This record gives sequence, structure tokens and C-alpha cells, in this order.
Amino acid sequence: DAGVTQSPTHLIKTRGQHVTLRCSPISGHKSVSWYQQVLGQGPQFIFQYYEKEERGRGNFPDRFSARQFPNYSSELNVNALLLGDSALYLCASSVGLAGYNEQFFGPGTRLTVL
Amino acid sequence: AQKVTQAQTEISVVEKEDVTLDCVYETRDTTYYLFWYKQPPSGELVFLIRRNSFDEQNEISGRYSWNFQKSTSSFNFTITASQVVDSAVYFCALSEDYSGNTPLVFGKGTRLSVIA
Repeated sequence: DAGVTQSPTHLIKTRGQHVTLRCSPISGHKSVSWYQQVLGQGPQFIFQYYEKEERGRGNFPDRFSARQFPNYSSELNVNALLLGDSALYLCASSVGLAGYNEQFFGPGTRLTVL
Repeated sequence: AQKVTQAQTEISVVEKEDVTLDCVYETRDTTYYLFWYKQPPSGELVFLIRRNSFDEQNEISGRYSWNFQKSTSSFNFTITASQVVDSAVYFCALSEDYSGNTPLVFGKGTRLSVIA
């Protein structure tokens, strides 16, 4: 069975640009969560979507937005990119809500903002 | 507020040595979940264990074992007879909401290097 997939693998943008990151969960998983991992730090929660509804949002500015589609795949959008947005963005899926279910992580998208 | 502290930033051991990774957590809830994840150089986080706050039994899985002590708010992870393949960054994480809406809060991780 395929695991969580993310695209693209790497991305280079310049300040002020917009970026869209994509995630496909494991088949049968209805929850998708997004995390930002800055170099040398643990992942930091951005969003959780469950059954296409936002079920949690971390302490990130409104420049960050996300959505979940009917097939449970998800997109993370970041507007007006800043240098500090450079990080590894991880997507995780779980059967149910992420707080108490095992989450399966994708390989991540490494975003570099110049 | 929930918080996870992994005081050991980096640990280096020689192959076949035992190593313990420390995790101390803070939460005001009586019900919560604790997790350990492994992040190899490839970057993908790999789930190792989940423990709920009502289950203080220690767990052993092959060379891995976990010691959960509510009295000291610790959830330590021991690798017995370490191998080079164990080299990775290990994260401890906490979720304090049984509704599932509260996300995982991760520690900063401990980088383990196992030298042959």
C-alpha cells in the first residue's frame, strides 16, 4: 500500500511569492495534518483537517491556509513568503483525529525562500 | 499549556552500547497521549510508540523499551545493543486532548549517532 505522498519534494521561491504544497493521505485515512519543521527543531503543528473540515489550527499567521478535498487529499498554501518560512513541511495522515491516533508522515517538502 | 522537553540535544555511542533518550513533559490534563517518533536522514518521521496516560506499564519491543513514570512526568526511551541503523533524530511528543483536535506537541529532538 502506498504511504503518504507529498509534492513537490523540493521548492525554491523568493520573498513575496506564493506556494502550494500537496499531500495525498494513505487510502482510508480521513485526517490530514500539516507541520512545519525548521532546521534543528521539532515539527510544529499548522493545521488539521478531518472529513474536509478544519479541526485545529496552530499559531501561524493568516498567510497560511489549507483545505481538504473530497478524496481527502490536501493542499497547504502560503502567501507572501518570508525568509523565515524556509523549512521542511510535513504532511501526516491518520484514520481518525490526529490527537490520539497514530499518524503516518510523508517525506516532506523542503521549501527554501530566497 | 503542554510542553515536551528533550534535554539531550545530541548523543553519540559506540555500536552495541545501550542508550537512553530522556523525555519530560508538562500538561495540566489528566488524560493525554505520549508518542515517540524516529526521523532518519531521509526526513520521514516514523512512528515508534503511543502510550495513554492511564497505562503506566513499561513496554518492550525488540531492542526498544519505554519507561513511563507519571510521578516524574517522564517517558524515556531505551535502545539496547544499539546499531548503526539506529542513528537518527528521535522526537518525543504529547497530545493532551482526547477529542483528537489538539495536535501533537513535539520536543526539539535528540540526535543519536551510533558509531561502528
